[in-house]
Amino acid sequence: QSALTQPASVSGSPGQSITISCTGSSSDIGNYNLVSWYQQHPGYAPKLMIYEVIKRPSGVSNRFSGSKSANTASLTISGLQPEDEADYYCCSYAGTDIIWVFGGGTKLTVL
Amino acid sequence: QVQLQESGPGLVKPSETLSLTCNVSGGSISGHYWSWIRQPPGKGLEWIGYVYYTGTMTTKSNPSLRSRVTISLDASKSQFSLSLRSVTAADTAVYYCARDKSGWPGDVWGQGTTVTVSS
Repeated sequence: QSALTQPASVSGSPGQSITISCTGSSSDIGNYNLVSWYQQHPGYAPKLMIYEVIKRPSGVSNRFSGSKSANTASLTISGLQPEDEADYYCCSYAGTDIIWVFGGGTKLTVL
Repeated sequence: QVQLQESGPGLVKPSETLSLTCNVSGGSISGHYWSWIRQPPGKGLEWIGYVYYTGTMTTKSNPSLRSRVTISLDASKSQFSLSLRSVTAADTAVYYCARDKSGWPGDVWGQGTTVTVSS
């Protein structure tokens, strides 16, 4: 069982917006602004999409945005495109002993 | 641009030790956090641990694996390594090496290497 809870799957049509939630606790998401999100296409390594809750690395489309409220972080993808179909993972800092915890992943299907 | 490449045996017998190496090219190994992250077949990501080097080495590992994990770094070879002892079938996974930033893991990833634990 993963430390962070994500929905197993979400779907949307091209052009639509979707949001993926990531629920943790006051020991991780709720206590630190150190949430990151990763996109993973089948057979490939994950790719960093969001860091420190809301920041985008250079080269990542501004269609991807992050947010956080209390113990839940969210990734929103606007203007869905077929190439957005992938698995998405959240990650949070969880303190000096545990360090990093990941969510179980969400499969995004673009209909 | 930093590039990472994992190497090591693809098959390990139960109860033996899994050993992997990550070669770092295109940048300095000093002054960065370097992690190992794994992904069992069809499952999610699990952080294994990191090593941080600035002349002295600091390591941290996932409490669930801590008793079996050793992570080390050889700056002269620009490599860092993972040793996982007493493996079982549950350790079968794709193992990734990654460069971290202080606020997030996996700023840069290797392509991953598949390790199967089987007799």
